[in-house]
Amino acid sequence: GAGVSQSPSNKVTEKGKDVELRCDPISGHTALYWYRQSLGQGLEFLIYFQGNSAPDKSGLPSDRFSAERTGGSVSTLTIQRTQQEDSAVYLCASRGLAGVPGDTQYFGPGTRLTVL
Amino acid sequence: LAKTTQPISMDSYEGQEVNITCSHNNIATNDYITWYQQFPSQGPRFIIQGYKTKVTNEVASLFIPADRKSSTLSLPRVSLSDTAVYYCLVVGNNAGNMLTFGGGTRLMVKP
Repeated sequence: GAGVSQSPSNKVTEKGKDVELRCDPISGHTALYWYRQSLGQGLEFLIYFQGNSAPDKSGLPSDRFSAERTGGSVSTLTIQRTQQEDSAVYLCASRGLAGVPGDTQYFGPGTRLTVL
Repeated sequence: LAKTTQPISMDSYEGQEVNITCSHNNIATNDYITWYQQFPSQGPRFIIQGYKTKVTNEVASLFIPADRKSSTLSLPRVSLSDTAVYYCLVVGNNAGNMLTFGGGTRLMVKP
């Protein structure tokens, strides 16, 4: 079936503006993750959703960042009052059943955010 | 999280077999070894995952010795399009385990 999709693919915004990034996980996947990757760097975990449980927000860098997942499917990452250091590629990943041997996370193509 | 160590970069030529070895001395009993590939401006792409011995799929093979303290990703007959960064990860088998990517191995395939 279809993989993880993200929109927009690119977003350029001005410092201080709010942005919303969208993730559509693989159908049926219960776990959803947001990461960000700065140029030439590894992935930085932001937030994790699992079913109807409270999300793990331990990776969010500040209270300007928030995310929600509606109906256990689509997720939106919101960054308020963007700063230049928020510029990065924001990646979404989804995972199927926990505890299934060999299962792993599948990534979307990412959203490249540039804050001017 | 078990730390992994892999070469920073490797060069190869089209048609050759490429082997990238990763060390993970502190791997835990319930950890799986997972490899991802990433092209510039794209999200990481899952390549292969294994627990022990050998795993093979249409893209690659993964060799894991009995002590599981290392693993080797084998790419048969590479092409120019295999030029990418390859990440080795050790991941527990729970959905709550977020992935931690290190620097990866930058593979350059030359004509």
